[in-house]
Amino acid sequence: QKEVEQDPGPLSVPEGAIVSLNCTYSNSAFQYFMWYRQYSRKGPELLMYTYSSGNKEDGRFTAQVDKSSKYISLFIRDSQPSDSATYLCAMSADDYKLSFGAGTTVTVRA
Amino acid sequence: GAGVSQSPSNKVTEKGKDVELRCDPISGHTALYWYRQRLGQGLEFLIYFQGNSAPDKSGLPSDRFSAERTGESVSTLTIQRTQQEDSAVYLCASSITSGSVTGELFFGEGSRLTVL
Repeated sequence: QKEVEQDPGPLSVPEGAIVSLNCTYSNSAFQYFMWYRQYSRKGPELLMYTYSSGNKEDGRFTAQVDKSSKYISLFIRDSQPSDSATYLCAMSADDYKLSFGAGTTVTVRA
Repeated sequence: GAGVSQSPSNKVTEKGKDVELRCDPISGHTALYWYRQRLGQGLEFLIYFQGNSAPDKSGLPSDRFSAERTGESVSTLTIQRTQQEDSAVYLCASSITSGSVTGELFFGEGSRLTVL
């Protein structure tokens, strides 16, 4: 079993829709949770960062962490074609090593 | 430069050849990381540098893989006697914060390696 599970999709939604992405994990030591966005042939860039359980909102993006269920989510409201990318969840215990999900490819149709 | 720079961006090699991949981190970033991204898979941690020392090499897949870093600047990842399963995108990242994931990682665009 992988340490971090993420449905690779692909996910295709119309412009303006809400995009819902999620990951599950098995390591209860994880307490730092991130979402990275990766455009085609580019390196990942940090989108959201959350420590421990709870919600965090940043503009159209909301990240949720439920440590009791070992489940994290990312919601994108009012999705735009420019949001079309691969979204990677990443997480870590209190150190430098990130464990990544496989990434979900999202296409927002104009 | 403004971001993490990696070279070459693309490398095609024959099985059994050695390859060197280079990473130039953001100036002032003390921490440097190498990750591997295989098609359809998540990023795999390879190695972490704090300055020019590598406290964690646990992710290197085999003894054919090695990496070094000069001071707090350029790092080179070397793969000897390449195999087809080494085909992947090799991503380098740097961060200003040492030893803690709370520091944002800035990734380069990667070196895409194809082993024929």
